[in-house]
Amino acid sequence: DTEVTQTPKHLVMGMTNKKSLKCEQHMGHRAMYWYKQKAKKPPELMFVYSYEKLSINESVPSRFSPECPNSSLLNLHLHALQPEDSALYLCASSQDQGQDEQFFGPGTRLTVL
Amino acid sequence: SQQGEEDPQALSIQEGENATMNCSYKTSINNLQWYRQNSGRGLVHLILIRSNEREKHSGRLRVTLDTSKKSSSLLITASRAADTASYFCATDGANNLFFGTGTRLTVIP
Repeated sequence: DTEVTQTPKHLVMGMTNKKSLKCEQHMGHRAMYWYKQKAKKPPELMFVYSYEKLSINESVPSRFSPECPNSSLLNLHLHALQPEDSALYLCASSQDQGQDEQFFGPGTRLTVL
Repeated sequence: SQQGEEDPQALSIQEGENATMNCSYKTSINNLQWYRQNSGRGLVHLILIRSNEREKHSGRLRVTLDTSKKSSSLLITASRAADTASYFCATDGANNLFFGTGTRLTVIP
């Protein structure tokens, strides 16, 4: 299985809502990533988990809270988001953190009203 | 910023023509990767070229790397409508990849 899955595909939420994005891979990869991508821009790294531990937090606001329950799962908890947080959220995984090829999920299209 | 710059930003060609896009980066690298992204979807890895390699082929793709100029190019030969997508170069940084600004390729049938 060389697939990274993400749910939901689309999410619309109000600024007072709490929601979670989910990501799963079964390739035995030890590094998992969250990216945020705005239209016509490259992906911007948010968080990196390596061996289930948070390795990189790119100064992301605390309204985004990552969680790695086990080596196959990665969550992104959302709370009190702003309209400017509307974007495509991409999850990726790689064998190890750093230089390896990354496998991306299809993304969650998030709209904050 | 370690982000690479790609040019052109957008490229429109006829089916069957070749497409070339360029990536320039700022810091020393161990490898450089190219990814494709169809509209609103996840990225797909195309090819990886290591810093000690100058050229690499994969099917209709040809990638070159010039570390002295800190630049790389991606050539897609005999383009197809299905090649329409955004293409990003990515360089390795401190335990992560840094994506370039991207080239939007449109192949007209």
